[in-house]
Amino acid sequence: NIVMTQSPKSMSISVGDRVTMNCKASQNVYNNIAWYQQKPGQSPKLLIYYASNRYNGVPDRFTGSGYGTDFTLTINSVQAEDAAFYYCQRIYNSPWTFGGGTKLELK
Amino acid sequence: EVQLVESGGVLVQPGRSMKLSCAASGFTFSSFPMAWVRQAPTKGLEWVATISTSGGSTYYRDSVKGRFTISRDNAKSTLYLQMDSLRSEDTATYYCTTITEGYFDYWGQGVMVTVSS
Repeated sequence: NIVMTQSPKSMSISVGDRVTMNCKASQNVYNNIAWYQQKPGQSPKLLIYYASNRYNGVPDRFTGSGYGTDFTLTINSVQAEDAAFYYCQRIYNSPWTFGGGTKLELK
Repeated sequence: EVQLVESGGVLVQPGRSMKLSCAASGFTFSSFPMAWVRQAPTKGLEWVATISTSGGSTYYRDSVKGRFTISRDNAKSTLYLQMDSLRSEDTATYYCTTITEGYFDYWGQGVMVTVSS
């Protein structure tokens, strides 16, 4: 089974900073990756699909990149409302495995 | 507006059964594969099961194979998850989601399932 490993587990960033978080697949998943944002007490929200496609209504400060086994979610000029957990997921077919998540905190 | 409303979550003893439902509205339910995703308290997201549009194909994570059954009633626009032989490690919030072109786009608000004696 494919294992998705996210790093770092947590990060503390100031408003206006640029943040990069990583997702590594244990085998080639091509571009079959999605990124989700989850705030406390809320359901996850889709941000990025197929590695680099921004979902409807997602601000353009969110950018996904990568192919194969290494993927990155970048947030340019982080806003206070971006404080959340972020999860990557292998998509398209079974198993739809999630990574362990990255917690983004604001200083 | 797409709405997914889960129900059926309660406190249940280990070894017992429970059935979750997810009522869908605001879209053509029969046109979309669906999935269940769960999240144990203070833990990350975990994919549980997926079902095709017709219900003819189903997929499960290894830890629930043989114990959980995903199904759907397209006439009622409702998704189900039958959970048998429940274990304490099944304690989680369970979300239903739509699948569009392979990714999970719409999510319900979640329903809590607690397995404890």
